[in-house]
Amino acid sequence: GAVVSQHPSWVICKSGTSVKIECRSLDFQATTMFWYRQFPKQSLMLMATSNEGSKATYEQGVEKDKFLINHASLTLSTLTVTSAHPEDSSFYICSAREGLAGDDTQYFGPGTRLTVL
Amino acid sequence: ILNVEQSPQSLHVQEGDSTNFTCSFPSSNFYALHWYRWETAKSPEALFVMTLNGDEKKKGRISATLNTKEGYSYLYIKGSQPEDSATYLCAFLYNFNKFYFGSGTKLNVKP
Repeated sequence: GAVVSQHPSWVICKSGTSVKIECRSLDFQATTMFWYRQFPKQSLMLMATSNEGSKATYEQGVEKDKFLINHASLTLSTLTVTSAHPEDSSFYICSAREGLAGDDTQYFGPGTRLTVL
Repeated sequence: ILNVEQSPQSLHVQEGDSTNFTCSFPSSNFYALHWYRWETAKSPEALFVMTLNGDEKKKGRISATLNTKEGYSYLYIKGSQPEDSATYLCAFLYNFNKFYFGSGTKLNVKP
């Protein structure tokens, strides 16, 4: 089956630093990659949708200057949390879709637990 | 933001019991409904993708139904096993590329 990797799986950083999270589709080319955030006991919330070679589309309330997304190729997307603060501590998870039909599954990475001190 | 609700939030059953969960979603602008199984420390795994009203899908002991007119989907597990313990998520595909997730149903199957 399709595999999506995500690194790092966890990261602890100091307030004010930037953190980069990588998401790779290992055995397929992803038309679209998604970035989600999950706070405790809440749903996965879509942060942004990215397509290779174009700017990401951010959801309402997500600051594009704080959460920089680069979709450099059909197999790699990165999320950089800039000037991280404790309120950015959360679980971040990416997914990738090969196509855009309703029955095209999204395949998830294992997620990244970010803790900002 | 669209409202996707799952119930119950958690469920504890004995091995061998059959169980079912509900996912409720808006009945308008339906594109697809996806079910995922998410075990701790692993990636969510796609179970079913449902696109047509009346769809019924089955994978082993797990099956799902879809009613787009009234906005709900049921997931059934027959003869639950401890390895079925996981969080089950549904995701409503609002347009061709935007998913709204429920908070999940956490299933614990006791041996």
